[in-house]
Amino acid sequence: AQSVTQPDARVTVSEGASLQLRCKYSSSVTPYLFWYVQYPRQGLQLLLKYYSGDPVVQGVNGFEAEFSKSNSSFHLRKASVHWSDSAVYFCAVSLTSGGNYKPTFGKGTSLVVHP
Amino acid sequence: EAAVTQSPRNKVAVTGGKVTLSCNQTNNHNNMYWYRQDTGHGLRLIHYSYGAGSTEKGDIPDGYKASRPSQENFSLILELATPSQTSVYFCASGESGAETLYFGSGTRLTVL
Repeated sequence: AQSVTQPDARVTVSEGASLQLRCKYSSSVTPYLFWYVQYPRQGLQLLLKYYSGDPVVQGVNGFEAEFSKSNSSFHLRKASVHWSDSAVYFCAVSLTSGGNYKPTFGKGTSLVVHP
Repeated sequence: EAAVTQSPRNKVAVTGGKVTLSCNQTNNHNNMYWYRQDTGHGLRLIHYSYGAGSTEKGDIPDGYKASRPSQENFSLILELATPSQTSVYFCASGESGAETLYFGSGTRLTVL
């Protein structure tokens, strides 16, 4: 069975600071990995995804994430945050084997950016 | 642009009543999903479908049924609503294979 852990329920940073949101997964095989963002009163939107290859993947709005197989992690980063980045961020995994997919989400990390 | 539309946007129901949440997608995706979002739990999968006529149980299916009458439509049915089902419900669609999900805007359900 697959699972996702986001250890930080809430992260507060100042505008212009760097950011890292943590995600660890548990899976019997290497999964597809995703980060989604949810702005207030909206559905989730894809930020970036990783399937294979270069462990650092680029996403929208300056976000990037790094896959580590040894650590079973997929942390999200941004060099300089903006107040508009305030949102809830979800890490998700989906198994690559078996042909069928059942995406599993972490509990989310609420990001608050102070001006 | 992928589009997933949920209705209603808000719903107030009484305990013991029947509630149907609807979802329509114009993406021609095979897979559709129903999640509920609760503080402290994130998104939890209720039911999903791999195509018209199919439904599968997710991680928390108790108290819910699902129906996929066509490629475009996927409904979530609460036959006997309870206050514990008060939540925000999200529908999503995705391609078979690499699963980028496209989400609707959610339905806020309150069961009194």
